[in-house]
Amino acid sequence: KQEVTQIPAALSVPEGENLVLNCSFTDSAIYNLQWFRQDPGKGLTSLLLIQSSQREQTSGRLNASLDKSSGRSTLYIAASQPGDSATYLCAVIGETSGSRLTFGEGTQLTVNP
Amino acid sequence: DVKVTQSSRYLVKRTGEKVFLECVQDMDHENMFWYRQDPGLGLRLIYFSYDVKMKEKGDIPEGYSVSREKKERFSLILESASTNQTSMYLCASSFLDRKNYGYTFGSGTRLTVV
Repeated sequence: KQEVTQIPAALSVPEGENLVLNCSFTDSAIYNLQWFRQDPGKGLTSLLLIQSSQREQTSGRLNASLDKSSGRSTLYIAASQPGDSATYLCAVIGETSGSRLTFGEGTQLTVNP
Repeated sequence: DVKVTQSSRYLVKRTGEKVFLECVQDMDHENMFWYRQDPGLGLRLIYFSYDVKMKEKGDIPEGYSVSREKKERFSLILESASTNQTSMYLCASSFLDRKNYGYTFGSGTRLTVV
């Protein structure tokens, strides 16, 4: 059974710092990995999707990498801002899971002004 | 802009009521999903559907049912609401075969059962 772990569970940084969020998964047979952002009381917003054949994806100040063989992904946020404060979730679609996503527990990020 | 729309942001219902949560997507996605999210438990899959009139149980289907009469609409039904169903409910959709397009989520419905 696929398991997804995110470290750290919570992170507090001063504005302007570059930071890395980690995601690991136990079964490397995946179609893709998707990073989401969730603001308090809101739904999930897709940030980046990395296909299994890709190594990384970039969008603005965000860069996500994927090392499928080692079961790891990182989300890099450059020059963090208070508006980046949210919970970040990673999720994978496994090759044997049909269309089902398996989520990590999330990293709660606080960026202090 | 493509969307998954959940009909209510906040709902308050009484114990024993029959509750309908509605979700509509405009992306022509085959798959639709209902999750609930609780502190410390993460997102848990309740039901999903990969086609009209088709449904599959997720990890926690007890106390829930679903309906998919049209491709764009997926309803979650609480037959007799109970206080332990107080939660955030999230709807999502995706393509059946084009897995590299990922999931799109709605904005969530916060349900309180009193």
